Amino acid sequence: DVKVTQSSRYLVKRTGEKVFLECVQDMDHENMFWYRQDPGLGLRLIYFSYDVKMKEKGDIPEGYSVSREKKERFSLILESASTNQTSMYLCASRPQGTTEAFFGQGTRLTVV
Amino acid sequence: SQQGEEDPQALSIQEGENATMNCSYKTSINNLQWYRQNSGRGLVHLILIRSNEREKHSGRLRVTLDTSKKSSSLLITASRAADTASYFCATFKQAGTALIFGKGTTLSVSS
Repeated sequence: DVKVTQSSRYLVKRTGEKVFLECVQDMDHENMFWYRQDPGLGLRLIYFSYDVKMKEKGDIPEGYSVSREKKERFSLILESASTNQTSMYLCASRPQGTTEAFFGQGTRLTVV
Repeated sequence: SQQGEEDPQALSIQEGENATMNCSYKTSINNLQWYRQNSGRGLVHLILIRSNEREKHSGRLRVTLDTSKKSSSLLITASRAADTASYFCATFKQAGTALIFGKGTTLSVSS
């Protein structure tokens, strides 16, 4: 079975902190994605990557950056956390040339 | 930008009843997918329908696609309490890139 693992289920950080959300997949998928999910807004795409060291902005990249140094790992970075970044963050991966995405269990981040 | 929009936002039914959720999308698609999310968890793929298909079945799931109306529906027959979850439709942002999801329908099935 494909496994996408997010490093934390729950995280509480202070305003202004630099925050790292880690995502690891074990199936050699080329594509990896970060979404945030908020009530009433659904899932919104932050960033995605289709190869090592490659990244593309999604619909809401402001305040975020990403890093993909190895194929299996895709990190989301909040450079200076703010309260409006309190949200559920979902990582997903997908093999090149296929359609189905595989999701991690999510990280619920609270910025206080 | 949200490509898909589900309707209704919330649906409450009794066990044994059928649940129908609708999705509208904006641009041309090659395929459309439905995902399920249990409370506080990640999404799980349910079914994919291609643009040249009008209907597809998988167990108790039936998906229809009307490309002329840019809409799809997901029917869950004989609902169970375990079907309680949020359901999302998804299409590709551009060919072969990222999936774009709608806002979802929250289904509550009571026993």
